[in-house]
Amino acid sequence: AQSVTQLGSHVSVSEGALVLLRCNYSSSVPPYLFWYVQYPNQGLQLLLKYTTGATLVKGINGFEAEFKKSETSFHLTKPSAHMSDAAEYFCAVSDRGNQGGKLIFGQGTELSVKP
Amino acid sequence: DTGVSQNPRHKITKRGQNVTFRCDPISEHNRLYWYRQTLGQGPEFLTYFQNEAQLEKSRLLSDRFSAERPKGSFSTLEIQRTEQGDSAMYLCASSLTGINYEQYFGPGTRLTVT
Repeated sequence: AQSVTQLGSHVSVSEGALVLLRCNYSSSVPPYLFWYVQYPNQGLQLLLKYTTGATLVKGINGFEAEFKKSETSFHLTKPSAHMSDAAEYFCAVSDRGNQGGKLIFGQGTELSVKP
Repeated sequence: DTGVSQNPRHKITKRGQNVTFRCDPISEHNRLYWYRQTLGQGPEFLTYFQNEAQLEKSRLLSDRFSAERPKGSFSTLEIQRTEQGDSAMYLCASSLTGINYEQYFGPGTRLTVT
């Protein structure tokens, strides 16, 4: 069965500092990988995804993530944090063999950005 | 493209009552998903449809929960005899197979069972 682990339920950074949110997955075959962001009382918005091809993927709002098969990881980074990045971030996987299908989410990481 | 919409946005009900939520997906999307999210947790898969067919249902889903997508467009999620443990945000998402694998989420329906 697939599973997702996000290391650190809370991450705090200063404005302008590097953002690093960690995600490791467990799957018998490499799944599709996603990062979503959720602002309070809102639905989820897709930041970026990896399905095939280049392992470094760029998303919206300056975020990027790198798929590392050997480490079963898909960590999210942003070079310089902005106050507006404060939100909950979820890593998710779906089954490559089912054209996607259901998403399995991690527990989430709450990002705080200090001025 | 108006996005995924969900109604109502908030629902307060008394324990034992039945509730029904509606989801309208992006119009050309053939897949529709339901998830449940409790405070401080990631969304948990409940069920999904491809067109009218319900293709998968979580084993965690109680028999009190039922979902339909009768014409392959909007979907309803009904919870019968609600319990306090049903209090959560219910999220709907839709996607289009064969193009990409992105799921687009609605704003959710927050259910509070008193």
